[in-house]
Amino acid sequence: AQSVTQLGSHVSVSEGALVLLRCNYSSSVPPYLFWYVQYPNQGLQLLLKYTSAATLVKGINGFEAEFKKSETSFHLTKPSAHMRDAAEYFCAVSAPHSGGGADGLTFGKGTHLIIQP
Amino acid sequence: GAGVSQTPSNKVTEKGKYVELRCDPISGHTALYWYRQSLGQGPEFLIYFQGTGAADDSGLPNDRFFAVRPEGSVSTLKIQRTERGDSAVYLCASSFSGGAGLNEQFFGPGTRLTVL
Repeated sequence: AQSVTQLGSHVSVSEGALVLLRCNYSSSVPPYLFWYVQYPNQGLQLLLKYTSAATLVKGINGFEAEFKKSETSFHLTKPSAHMRDAAEYFCAVSAPHSGGGADGLTFGKGTHLIIQP
Repeated sequence: GAGVSQTPSNKVTEKGKYVELRCDPISGHTALYWYRQSLGQGPEFLIYFQGTGAADDSGLPNDRFFAVRPEGSVSTLKIQRTERGDSAVYLCASSFSGGAGLNEQFFGPGTRLTVL
């Protein structure tokens, strides 16, 4: 069984400031980990994913995340926030299949990122 | 190219009625997933198809929910005797599963179901 905990349902940062969105996971097997973004009235879009290769993963729009097994964490960061980053962010985990592919995703409850001008 | 499409985009029904929600995956994607997203929550996994068969239906909440994918492409999620608690956005995703490694899930825009 897997689970995801996202600390902070709302995070507010100033434009140009560091963005840090926290995600902790629980998994009985080495997991695949994801961050998705959901802009208002749009579908989910993949930001980045961890699939047991490099522990520091770079994604789109300047975001990156670091997989830390000892802390069971996969926090999302961006050095400098832009107004366009305002959205809902979801961390997700899945279990890989031995033959390729993966199970359905287990999502966290989401973090609403607010950018202050 | 075309992404995942879902129809209808909005569905309003009355308690006790039957509804069908349709998902058209990206052409060539063999895996198809259904999720449900309630207000203020993250998406919740319902069922996963690999080809025509349901590989994992452990997320279906009860026997009022059923999904099919008869030809390995389009899928229909069916809800019988709808209840107000079924109101949510129903999301579909597809991916290409082939060989080793992970295949990204591409999400559709969702169907917003409202049960009055």
